[in-house]
Amino acid sequence: NAGVTQTPKFQVLKTGQSMTLQCAQDMNHNSMYWYRQDPGMGLRLIYYSASEGTTDKGEVPNGYNVSRLNKREFSLRLESAAPSQTSVYFCASSGTVGYTFGSGTRLTVV
Amino acid sequence: GQQLNQSPQSMFIQEGEDVSMNCTSSSIFNTWLWYKQEPGEGPVLLIALYKAGELTSNGRLTAQFGITRKDSFLNISASIPSDVGIYFCAGFNYGGSQGNLIFGKGTKLSVKP
Repeated sequence: NAGVTQTPKFQVLKTGQSMTLQCAQDMNHNSMYWYRQDPGMGLRLIYYSASEGTTDKGEVPNGYNVSRLNKREFSLRLESAAPSQTSVYFCASSGTVGYTFGSGTRLTVV
Repeated sequence: GQQLNQSPQSMFIQEGEDVSMNCTSSSIFNTWLWYKQEPGEGPVLLIALYKAGELTSNGRLTAQFGITRKDSFLNISASIPSDVGIYFCAGFNYGGSQGNLIFGKGTKLSVKP
């Protein structure tokens, strides 16, 4: 089925470790996004990419980096994980009607 | 920055009851979207509204784009247990930055059979 695929689904990191969250979409969308979701905070934009080769900061970019590898793939990297980055991370892409979201990565930093 | 106020934060209702939730903003949007998120999944688009005053239905769901372009509401009629989830409103402005989809904090709906 067409959509947005995120890996991994779950991850536990120790403080200071690094990791990359992967996201791929097969809908030929130009724009892709990374959000984090915390209880009571809704969805907050971390970074987005309006098109291949471009990236921009969202509302909460500190502690993260992104790479738009090609039109399909947009990765999110945590260089040195902190407990405050414990969250559920969603990737999304946008076409003509709204955004399509992946099923999320639940990250715990201990 | 722009913020959306979504209410209520949570609702506990009996199966068969109607549900109403709304979203307000201090600034205007030219598109309003309503999403539903089920446990362990990402948000899924329910309804998109593009025009002030527009009333759109999707099965038992009805949403309206406020005349002032600063608010929207979502109604669910005759609720059923599978309506359980978190409902998010989102406002969007085409043109300008692509990061312009602003989300409300969600309404958590619980339905008692």
